[in-house]
Amino acid sequence: EAGVTQFPSHSVIEKGQTVTLRCDPISGHDNLYWYRRVMGKEIKFLLHFVKESKQDESGMPNNRFLAERTGGTYSTLKVQPAELEDSGVYFCASSPGDRGRFTYEQYFGPGTRLTVT
Amino acid sequence: RKEVEQDPGPFNVPEGATVAFNCTYSNSASQSFFWYRQDCRKEPKLLMSVYSSGNEDGRFTAQLNRASQYISLLIRDSKLSDSATYLCAVYVSGTYKYIFGTGTRLKVLA
Repeated sequence: EAGVTQFPSHSVIEKGQTVTLRCDPISGHDNLYWYRRVMGKEIKFLLHFVKESKQDESGMPNNRFLAERTGGTYSTLKVQPAELEDSGVYFCASSPGDRGRFTYEQYFGPGTRLTVT
Repeated sequence: RKEVEQDPGPFNVPEGATVAFNCTYSNSASQSFFWYRQDCRKEPKLLMSVYSSGNEDGRFTAQLNRASQYISLLIRDSKLSDSATYLCAVYVSGTYKYIFGTGTRLKVLA
């Protein structure tokens, strides 16, 4: 079974530019999450999709961040315009839907390392 | 106070040693807990899930102490390959999100 994949693995952009990150969850996983780790800090939740619907976006820092999950498959996270403080590692995770306690076991992708200069 | 706290370490232990880490959490309503292992510049990988009092898998044992609001991870007979950062994640009841600790770094020395 293929794991969670993310693209690109690294991105270096200038302040004010736009970047779009992509996540492909494990096939069949209804739940998709975005997290971010800023240097020296803990991994923090950004948002959660159930299929194509945003279930919880309480962790999104501001309206420069836009997440979508078209058709309930892959997801994109767009940052526009990027600021210096957006630098960090963006992780995507997925978990199965409606499988009792196993619904809560999240599997992470390798992350996208974003550097805003 | 942080919602999930871990001693950042590093814990430097010789091969074959037993080492234990704790993770404290502040929300008494938390129901599910997870230990992840993260190698440098890699993704967190699920190591163990803790839903009741504890869980054991080979050399690894996780225990939950609800009264004192902490979970622990015990590693027996440490191997060089166990060197990594161990992340504690607490599932927030009523949502699907995790609250992570900052991680505990383990170095197993030859």
